[in-house]
Amino acid sequence: GQQVMQIPQYQHVQEGEDFTTYCNSSTTLSNIQWYKQRPGGHPVFLIQLVKSGEVKKQKRLTFQFGEAKKNSSLHITATQTTDVGTYFCAGRIQGAQKLVFGQGTRLTINP
Amino acid sequence: ETGVTQTPRHLVMGMTNKKSLKCEQHLGHNAMYWYKQSAKKPLELMFVYNFKEQTENNSVPSRFSPECPNSSHLFLHLHTLQPEDSALYLCASSLLLEGGREQYFGPGTRLTVT
Repeated sequence: GQQVMQIPQYQHVQEGEDFTTYCNSSTTLSNIQWYKQRPGGHPVFLIQLVKSGEVKKQKRLTFQFGEAKKNSSLHITATQTTDVGTYFCAGRIQGAQKLVFGQGTRLTINP
Repeated sequence: ETGVTQTPRHLVMGMTNKKSLKCEQHLGHNAMYWYKQSAKKPLELMFVYNFKEQTENNSVPSRFSPECPNSSHLFLHLHTLQPEDSALYLCASSLLLEGGREQYFGPGTRLTVT
């Protein structure tokens, strides 16, 4: 069954508002990756988090990995229309090779 | 981005047809993957190849048959598909299967089964 849950499934915001998507695993992850898929496009790797409690920033995007390495979040500050797309988390279960993708959060923005 | 290419980009086939999807990566990667993306299940892992050897088959119906002749090429042979197989089929590659390497996706093949 699905081992990596992502919420919300959809999020619509006004341009300039913040956005957050959450990723939760029932088991400990060795690492977590985030991908962005623009409408009509394919998933593109954004970042990987490995350490417990790790926080990484890319301009307006902030990525966090939980202390227990079972959850992660992506926060976008002051969204822009270029942020539109679906954001996927993907976790690697400890001891396993397979990368398990969350269901994705589809972000739409009202300009 | 031209690291991972897929052909054709669009395919319409009848349920009795046989067709093949092709994926090629120019990144020197050793692991390749097939994913199915549909509205119901956003990213469904189908097959994994590591150094040309299949390491995973996620209970995929036998009407989908993968082939990996070398580390750069991956095929998905299709026969007697069902309308519910209509989806975007994405190929991806990574440097290694282990170690949490990021995956690079191709543009996908949009498949419609009539």
